[in-house]
Amino acid sequence: NAGVTQTPKFQVLKTGQSMTLQCAQDMNHNSMYWYRQDPGMGLRLIYYSASEGTTDKGEVPNGYNVSRLNKREFSLRLESAAPSQTSVYFCASSEVAAAEQFFGPGTRLTVL
Amino acid sequence: AQSVTQPDIHITVSEGASLELRCNYSYGATPYLFWYVQSPGQGLQLLLKYFSGDTLVQGIKGFEAEFKRSQSSFNLRKPSVHWSDAAEYFCAVGTGNSYNTDKLIFGTGTRLQVFP
Repeated sequence: NAGVTQTPKFQVLKTGQSMTLQCAQDMNHNSMYWYRQDPGMGLRLIYYSASEGTTDKGEVPNGYNVSRLNKREFSLRLESAAPSQTSVYFCASSEVAAAEQFFGPGTRLTVL
Repeated sequence: AQSVTQPDIHITVSEGASLELRCNYSYGATPYLFWYVQSPGQGLQLLLKYFSGDTLVQGIKGFEAEFKRSQSSFNLRKPSVHWSDAAEYFCAVGTGNSYNTDKLIFGTGTRLQVFP
């Protein structure tokens, strides 16, 4: 039981490049989340998916898109990366929305 | 709007000393409250949670927290800190008005440093 996995662990992009962050959970959870963590700002919700087939914007959705591919997988896409998107990205899942959330190890993204 | 405030950005304690990390929330209804811990380079791990009932909740690693509605607080405590407790601690509140709420609002975190 791996819990929540994220790939890649590290990534460096140039401004304007695109990439997709992958997240998968093997706990049969309904809800999944993408957060970004920046120094002094805690975790801020980018997008979430309360159940398979639904996605909703969080606090900071601009510049991102998401896909809930199936119940297990929830990807985050940056279409045209900007330096302001340099951050650590965490994926999380929960059995019901806002119950205990289980977090992945994070992806550290640098945009030059 | 819902919000969470952790007034202490950085706390330093000696190993064996007691610890209290402060958390205040702003929320109109009965909140669902959480404390998470993040070790360097790691994801977040749940320490404890409050949904209802007894206002003093016990968590893992010897931590406890007390919900005080009158003070809108959910402070985290540990009677004797170990060097391995050095980490960043996040308080969070669940939004909405039922168990099936939408999302969590996190505080900005408190970094705990432990001296031997």
